[in-house]
Amino acid sequence: DTGVSQDPRHKITKRGQNVTFRCDPISEHNRLYWYRQTLGQGPEFLTYFQNEAQLEKSRLLSDRFSAERPKGSFSTLEIQRTEQGDSAMYLCASSSKGRDTEAFFGQGTRLTVV
Amino acid sequence: GENVEQHPSTLSVQEGDSAVIKCTYSDSASNYFPWYKQELGKGPQLIIDIRSNVGEKKDQRIAVTLNKTAKHFSLHITETQPEDSAVYFCAASKSFQKLVFGTGTRLLVSP
Repeated sequence: DTGVSQDPRHKITKRGQNVTFRCDPISEHNRLYWYRQTLGQGPEFLTYFQNEAQLEKSRLLSDRFSAERPKGSFSTLEIQRTEQGDSAMYLCASSSKGRDTEAFFGQGTRLTVV
Repeated sequence: GENVEQHPSTLSVQEGDSAVIKCTYSDSASNYFPWYKQELGKGPQLIIDIRSNVGEKKDQRIAVTLNKTAKHFSLHITETQPEDSAVYFCAASKSFQKLVFGTGTRLLVSP
């Protein structure tokens, strides 16, 4: 399977704990995006990388959230001191700059904060 | 910033009927409009997209139309099948960067 891969698929954590999610984009894609989707809503943009550079961050991305993409390959999204309001599906997408730049999404990581 | 509105929120049709989902956007600089299908527990799957230099695009039973003047775009599904049942999202983007999504339409196709 050469699609976007996210790990884990599901995460249950206690309030106040830190969590980290991983995304492996399609191998030739140099743009990587993180979105958050709550129940019954469309995905909301969080941040995006072109290669290893983080080019834009949404106001939704509070200081408890940090994303990295070392070496321009996989990316991690960390949430510190989780709150119940962080419960959502975290989606990763990738696209290729310079040609048909459709964004392809992974299956997402569903986070539940209890 | 960009705002995308999507209607209806739910749509029930009989198998074989057509379904139409409509979206409006606010930023005239948006130039890329994809549609995604999302099944329960899965990530969104791109089904069709249209760029601002095109008024209509068709792919088998699916078509999308764009009216740049009115800032409207629509998804048309003909000869619907039960497997078309899912949540459909429209989105808008400037220069193929971040996507701004609509709120989704739950389509139910009854046999």
